[in-house]
Amino acid sequence: DAGVTQSPTHLIKTRGQQVTLRCSPKSGHDTVSWYQQALGQGPQFIFQYYEEEERQRGNFPDRFSGHQFPNYSSELNVNALLLGDSALYLCASSPEGRVNTEAFFGQGTRLTVV
Amino acid sequence: GENVEQHPSTLSVQEGDSAVIKCTYSDSASNYFPWYKQELGKRPQLIIDIRSNVGEKKDQRIAVTLNKTAKHFSLHITETQPEDSAVYFCAASKLYNFNKFYFGSGTKLNVKP
Repeated sequence: DAGVTQSPTHLIKTRGQQVTLRCSPKSGHDTVSWYQQALGQGPQFIFQYYEEEERQRGNFPDRFSGHQFPNYSSELNVNALLLGDSALYLCASSPEGRVNTEAFFGQGTRLTVV
Repeated sequence: GENVEQHPSTLSVQEGDSAVIKCTYSDSASNYFPWYKQELGKRPQLIIDIRSNVGEKKDQRIAVTLNKTAKHFSLHITETQPEDSAVYFCAASKLYNFNKFYFGSGTKLNVKP
């Protein structure tokens, strides 16, 4: 089991551009959450996907959107990139239907906006 | 919403000493409190967690205590080793809320050999 995998690992984009990040959850996991981790800070919850729908959302603007596919993999899209969007983006997966068990994190995508 | 505060932001100890990291939370409905260790360039990994119906949990050199009344919880690492050096994050969540966590700002632990 490869665990949670994210791609790409690093990305450099220019202000105003759009970016898509990808996450494949751990086998057997169907709930995926995305987090933004700025340098020196704790991860901040962006949103959570289950059954291909956004179920919960944190305090992030509409420029942040996502998608979940039938195979439970997920994408995070960020439009109109700002310098402040530079961060490590993490996804976490866990299985629905169980009392809160360990959430597994991917290694993240390091996004740099220049 | 939930607000989790974590102290200290950096902690330096001598190998073999104990380390304590403290967190407070604001939402009394939170009932699941995991601790994650993140080494440089790596993913956060769960090291221990505690639910609100338990006051203390221990796993070898690591223990977590929870005071629901005061809304604070702490991580205790005994007999620290250089490989314990990392950033530690506390988090708060609700059972059945799966992988939605509110994280503290992190504590950088440095264990000097």
